[in-house]
Amino acid sequence: GAVVSQHPSRVICKSGTSVKIECRSLDFQATTMFWYRQFPKQSLMLMATSNEGSKATYEQGVEKDKFLINHASLTLSTLTVTSAHPEDSSFYICSAMGTGVNSPLHFGNGTRLTVT
Amino acid sequence: AQKITQTQPGMFVQEKEAVTLDCTYDTSDQSYGLFWYKQPSSGEMIFLIYQGSYDEQNATEGRYSLNFQKARKSANLVISASQLGDSAMYFCAMRAGAGSYQLTFGKGTKLSVIP
Repeated sequence: GAVVSQHPSRVICKSGTSVKIECRSLDFQATTMFWYRQFPKQSLMLMATSNEGSKATYEQGVEKDKFLINHASLTLSTLTVTSAHPEDSSFYICSAMGTGVNSPLHFGNGTRLTVT
Repeated sequence: AQKITQTQPGMFVQEKEAVTLDCTYDTSDQSYGLFWYKQPSSGEMIFLIYQGSYDEQNATEGRYSLNFQKARKSANLVISASQLGDSAMYFCAMRAGAGSYQLTFGKGTKLSVIP
């Protein structure tokens, strides 16, 4: 089955620094990837849609300058949290769609970000 | 706009019993897909089952089945013969609209299987 690898699984950083999270589709090409954010005991909220070779599409309320998304190849999308603040602490999870319009999204294992 | 509603924040089930997790949805699109995911405490999202809006038969995948009632806009997940490893959060999600690939998720139901 389709495998999505997300790295790192856990990161702690200091306020003001930037953190990069990588999302790779290992055995398929993903022209579109999605980045979700999940607060404790809450549902997944879509942050942005990452399109290979073009600018990401951000959901309303998500700061594009703070959450930089780059989808440079068909197998890699990155999310960079810039100038991190404690309120950015959260669980970030990426996903990619398999082939076929009815394919489910395949998710990475998520990244737990803690900003101190 | 699409909306997914899961009204059960938490559910308990005895091991080996069946359990139904509720999901209702709202969309104006005629073509849509419904998905169920399992999220253990480790955080990964595991795809369980899919139902298309035009599928006449209820989807089944092993111990998972989807009770799809289109007129009522419900897509309940039925887990048969519950196992301790089924304890997790369960999310219902929908994809709707031509050319749309993103999923909209419900708030989830926390299932606890009791030995």
